[in-house]
Amino acid sequence: QQPVQSPQAVILREGEDAVINCSSSKALYSVHWYRQKHGEAPVFLMILLKGGEQKGHDKISASFNEKKQQSSLYLTASQLSYSGTYFCGTETAKDSNYQLIWGAGTKLIIKP
Amino acid sequence: EAGVVQSPRYKIIEKKQPVAFWCNPISGHNTLYWYLQNLGQGPELLIRYENEEAVDDSQLPKDRFSAERLKGVDSTLKIQPAELGDSAVYLCASSLTPRSPLHFGNGTRLTVT
Repeated sequence: QQPVQSPQAVILREGEDAVINCSSSKALYSVHWYRQKHGEAPVFLMILLKGGEQKGHDKISASFNEKKQQSSLYLTASQLSYSGTYFCGTETAKDSNYQLIWGAGTKLIIKP
Repeated sequence: EAGVVQSPRYKIIEKKQPVAFWCNPISGHNTLYWYLQNLGQGPELLIRYENEEAVDDSQLPKDRFSAERLKGVDSTLKIQPAELGDSAVYLCASSLTPRSPLHFGNGTRLTVT
């Protein structure tokens, strides 16, 4: 039931782009994205609530493909501050059975 | 606004000893979560509260773990007795509603020796 994140880790040079994928074997109703820096708390990035939705903030955006049961996080022109581990949290049931299941994370390292 | 506050930040205990963690959520947040996070893994839900009611404790090992959220604000998570495998980071999070963004505390890093 845990969503699968890919890649597990990625190393980029500052200014390069990255895509992180989050795939589920079950139908998705919403997807959360968070970033966690070493030794710190996870920090909210965005929530996608319905299929086809796309959101963005600065140079970080995400899409939600309901049919493919997956979401992708796009980091454009990466900055050093983007380094950290990115987690997706997926909602696979509605209403009273609401649960957020987390992926294992994608570690992103940005080098100058 | 003040964030989610957790204490202690670090805790080292011997196995079979009890331990307790405390969490103060963001004011007005009705939903409170306790998560366990192992190194290199995503958070795993232990328990979720809506106000003072535990609405999802299916993943809480009830033989040794207990939690409470009196008056629907602060919460404590207790382990008694602790085992070596309990070493992990325990994260508390709160949200306005179940489907709102989660705000995490800095966690308590537990080491059981």
